Amino acid sequence: GENVEQHPSTLSVQEGDSAVIKCTYSDSASNYFPWYKQELGKGPQLIIDIRSNVGEKKDQRIAVTLNKTAKHFSLHITETQPEDSAVYFCAASMNSGYSTLTFGKGTMLLVSP
Amino acid sequence: NAGVTQTPKFQVLKTGQSMTLQCAQDMNHEYMSWYRQDPGMGLRLIHYSVGAGITDQGEVPNGYNVSRSTTEDFPLRLLSAAPSQTSVYFCASSPTRNTEAFFGQGTRLTVV
Repeated sequence: GENVEQHPSTLSVQEGDSAVIKCTYSDSASNYFPWYKQELGKGPQLIIDIRSNVGEKKDQRIAVTLNKTAKHFSLHITETQPEDSAVYFCAASMNSGYSTLTFGKGTMLLVSP
Repeated sequence: NAGVTQTPKFQVLKTGQSMTLQCAQDMNHEYMSWYRQDPGMGLRLIHYSVGAGITDQGEVPNGYNVSRSTTEDFPLRLLSAAPSQTSVYFCASSPTRNTEAFFGQGTRLTVV
């Protein structure tokens, strides 16, 4: 089955700095890569996703890049704010059959004022 | 629009007891899933369903049962609770595969 590795497990930055979280996946058939943000005491919420026919996608301060050859994808957050502090999860799935999401273990991002 | 509703939010069980975690969605989504979240382990898939009457096992199905008699509801049953099932459980739904998954607020379960 699919295996998703996520790094780092914790990331501390100063407000205004950029943050980068990286994930690798094992199954070359995976073609959908979402990122979820989980705030304390809440369920994960989708913040951005990318499909394998696209190399990069941006949404305001958030961007995701995908390298299919190397089987890795990254989340980039620019101009970080304290409200960006949360746990971030990457995931991967295939567009075939009853495909399901396989999640990375998560990254706790702490943004200090 | 309630989205995905999980009940209860907190539960304490004694070893060997059984219980059902409820999950309901009002978005007419076909896909529904149950995950457990443990420290340092991320989200692990327990069971999932791709429509009423269709369920399948995920990564960690042992000790859990599911059924899907309606599109809206996807209950998770613990047959004989064990301390290893102490976790936070999340239910999620999505319209189809490879689309946004909407998560409930979670159920924090402690088995003593």
